[in-house]
Amino acid sequence: EVQLVQSGGALVQPGRSLRLSCAASGFTFDDYAMHWVRQVPGKGLEWVSGISWNSGDIDYADSVKGRFTVSRDNARNSLYLQMNSLRPEDTAFYFCAKDAQGVVAAGSHFDSWGQGTLVTVSS
Amino acid sequence: DIQMTQSPSTLSASVGDRVTITCRASQSISNWLAWYQQKPGKAPQLLISDASTLESGVPSRFSGSGSGTEFTLTISSLHPDDFATYYCQQYNTSPPWTFGQGTKVEIK
Repeated sequence: EVQLVQSGGALVQPGRSLRLSCAASGFTFDDYAMHWVRQVPGKGLEWVSGISWNSGDIDYADSVKGRFTVSRDNARNSLYLQMNSLRPEDTAFYFCAKDAQGVVAAGSHFDSWGQGTLVTVSS
Repeated sequence: DIQMTQSPSTLSASVGDRVTITCRASQSISNWLAWYQQKPGKAPQLLISDASTLESGVPSRFSGSGSGTEFTLTISSLHPDDFATYYCQQYNTSPPWTFGQGTKVEIK
């Protein structure tokens, strides 16, 4: 059974940094691309970032480009999101999600999701 | 970016009702569309991919159809467990992957 267990959410002040983690099990982690998706409480879903199986292809939403960095450690079956220069509008639940294929490209959807972790940016 | 628009935003229905949710894309996405179900406090769960392929373990009362710019998710007979919010997602032109704004199915 695919499991994605997230950690790292917290209350942080604007301008500070935070790192989210997603521990994967139940599948061959280094065969698949992974993503981060966020959701403002009570609102819809917004794709944030994606990383290919070998970290060779990485993409970001314009809203986080230059501030967030996605990475993965295939030896540890883990995905990370480093969030710098946080803003109040980054307040959201953050979900990690497994891609159905190995590359960050059109033609593939997200077939498993983590439980989500809340990031609150406020002074 | 491709914009996805769902209708209605909220749908009130009773157990046993047939329910249809529509998702429209701002340009053709072929059949590269997924449907997700999300319950309060939980992660989204994939129901349907490629517009009409039911994921393993998803009840057969769920079905998807459409291609190009217009798609539908149908629940043939609403069960109590189906009251949730449903999202469509396009993956024809990605990144970025884009989602509809969601349709909340609530108890009438």
